[in-house]
Amino acid sequence: RKEVEQDPGPFNVPEGATVAFNCTYSNSASQSFFWYRQDCRKEPKLLMSVYSSGNEDGRFTAQLNRASQYISLLIRDSKLSDSATYLCVVCLVTGGFKTIFGAGTRLFVKA
Amino acid sequence: NAGVMQNPRHLVRRRGQEARLRCSPMKGHSHVYWYRQLPEEGLKFMVYLQKENIIDESGMPKERFSAEFPKEGPSILRIQQVVRGDSAAYFCASSAGTGEPQHFGDGTRLSIL
Repeated sequence: RKEVEQDPGPFNVPEGATVAFNCTYSNSASQSFFWYRQDCRKEPKLLMSVYSSGNEDGRFTAQLNRASQYISLLIRDSKLSDSATYLCVVCLVTGGFKTIFGAGTRLFVKA
Repeated sequence: NAGVMQNPRHLVRRRGQEARLRCSPMKGHSHVYWYRQLPEEGLKFMVYLQKENIIDESGMPKERFSAEFPKEGPSILRIQQVVRGDSAAYFCASSAGTGEPQHFGDGTRLSIL
């Protein structure tokens, strides 16, 4: 089982749609969680941190369920510019310190 | 520019040569991470450094690859005797502390002829 798993997609949605991405992680020692977006041939950019209490930034809402080891990202009112790959990131301390990126979920928003 | 700076943006080497990739962290950040990304694949963690210390190098190949983050100057990822399979995008990120959000540089695209 992969340490961080994401549905690879692609998700093809019309503008204005609501889309949800899921991510599961295998190590209960995971401590920090983030969502990044990566455009084609570009560097990953931090979208938001993820907290147990859930957090919202405009059209984006992230949630963490530690009991189920599950992270989600909800995008409301999708824009064309939201088209990208969304990466789930987990940081954990296991003797050393590791940052593990999911393989990403591709999103295509169409007019 | 207060962001993470990587250079060069593109690097071409012949098999057997050495490649040196540089990364200057964001101002105020003392934690540096190196990742490798192959086309159509996800980022793979390579190494995590703080000033003058390697904290975790569990993702580094055992041979030919090394990394440093000296007291003065940028972090360096060094690949000796490059092979075709080393062709990839190498990203550097920095953070203010362990577990803090990481901010990425533009990456170095390494091509091996």
